[in-house]
Amino acid sequence: QVQLQESGPGLVKPLGTLSLTCAVSGVSMKTTGWWGWVRQPPGKGLEWIGETSHTGSVHYNPSLKGRASLSINKSENHFSLNLTSVTAADTGVYFCARMGFYNFRTWGHGTLVTVSS
Amino acid sequence: QSALTQPASVSGSPGQSITLSCTGASSDFGTYDSVSWYQFHPGKGPQLIIFDVNDRPSGVPDRFSGSKSGNTASLTISGLQSDDEAVYFCSSYTSSSVYVFGTGTMVSVL
Repeated sequence: QVQLQESGPGLVKPLGTLSLTCAVSGVSMKTTGWWGWVRQPPGKGLEWIGETSHTGSVHYNPSLKGRASLSINKSENHFSLNLTSVTAADTGVYFCARMGFYNFRTWGHGTLVTVSS
Repeated sequence: QSALTQPASVSGSPGQSITLSCTGASSDFGTYDSVSWYQFHPGKGPQLIIFDVNDRPSGVPDRFSGSKSGNTASLTISGLQSDDEAVYFCSSYTSSSVYVFGTGTMVSVL
C-alpha cells in the first residue's frame, strides 16, 4: 500500500522560502512514477503546484511565476518542494500526491503552512 | 487559469441519489477524457474516487459514478450513506498542460 507523508516547518516568514518534503513508502521512486504537489488556502479551493518524475522531469503551474522548485531523492524515496518569496497568500494546507495518468492517484494527509512574521 | 465551477453544497437523504456538477470552458477539459473526482473526508487524506471521467479505482464502491457531456462533468452518488458526507472536488488536465480543480461541493446527508 502506497503511503505519502508531508513534513516541514509549519511557519515561514514573509519573503522566505517554504520547504516541504514528502516521504513515500510502499513503492520505489527509482523506477516509476510522477509525483506532485497541491495546495489549499484556508477556506478556498485547490491549486496544482507542480509535478516531477523519477527521471527528474518537472512541470510547474505558471501561476506561481517561477517561484516553485520540485526535486526528487530516489535513494531516500522522497521528493521535495521549495517555494520562494512567500507571502500570506501562500498560507494553506500543502498536499503531496502520487500521480496517475492525468489524476492524483494517492494523497498525503496534508500539512498546514502559515506565512507570518 | 480559472477554477472549474461546482455547486457549493448538495444534500440528500440516506438511500437517495445525488449528482454533483463540474463546469468549465472547453479548453479546461482539453483533448483527453481526464476528469477526475476526489473525496475530502474530515480526518482522512483526500481520496481519488473517479478518474478518466467514469472509471473507479479498486476499492471505491460502484455507488460512485461519473459522466461528462460537453463542458460539464458530473459525479453521481447512489444509495447515499452518512459516510459520504465530505467535500468533493473535480479536476481536469487542460489543453494548457495544467491541472485545474473545481471550487468544491460539500455533500450533506440529511
